Amino acid sequence: GAVVSQHPSRVICKSGTSVKIECRSLDFQATTMFWYRQFPKKSLMLMATSNEGSKATYEQGVEKDKFLINHASLTLSTLTVTSAHPEDSSFYICSASAQGEFRNSPLHFGNGTRLTVT
Amino acid sequence: KQEVTQIPAALSVPEGENLVLNCSFTDSAIYNLQWFRQDPGKGLTSLLLIQSSQREQTSGRLNASLDKSSGRSTLYIAASQPGDSATYLCAVYSGTYKYIFGTGTRLKVLA
Repeated sequence: GAVVSQHPSRVICKSGTSVKIECRSLDFQATTMFWYRQFPKKSLMLMATSNEGSKATYEQGVEKDKFLINHASLTLSTLTVTSAHPEDSSFYICSASAQGEFRNSPLHFGNGTRLTVT
Repeated sequence: KQEVTQIPAALSVPEGENLVLNCSFTDSAIYNLQWFRQDPGKGLTSLLLIQSSQREQTSGRLNASLDKSSGRSTLYIAASQPGDSATYLCAVYSGTYKYIFGTGTRLKVLA
């Protein structure tokens, strides 16, 4: 089955530093990847949609200069949290889907990244 | 604007019980609905996908139904086991690359 690998699973960083999270589709080409943020005991909040080779589409209220998304290849998307603050501490999850499969196929998720900013 | 609600928010049952989790959505114009399982600190695992033209899907002890006209889906878990303890989320896909997630039901099955 389709596998999405997300790395790292946990990261602790100091305020003001930047952190990069990787999301890879291991056995399929993901033309579209999604980045979500999840607060404790809350549902998933879509942050942005990234399409291979083009700029990401950010949801309202998400700062694109703070959460940099790059989708340079069909198997890799990265989320960089720049100048991290403690309020950026959260659980970040990526998901992926191959082109044209949204209506007919399940969405595949990575295992998430727990970010703690001290 | 599509809104997805899940009831109950939390559920605790003894092992062996059959149980039903509910998901409701406000806009019936959906392409599909998916049920996911999330273990603590982990990502989501897809359990069942129901197309808008389908009424139900089954996988092992799980059965999901969809009533698009009334904006409802249920996830039925038969003979629950402690290993079923997790958070269950439903999500609807209405197009434009967006999945809208419910707030989840936290299930605890007691041994």
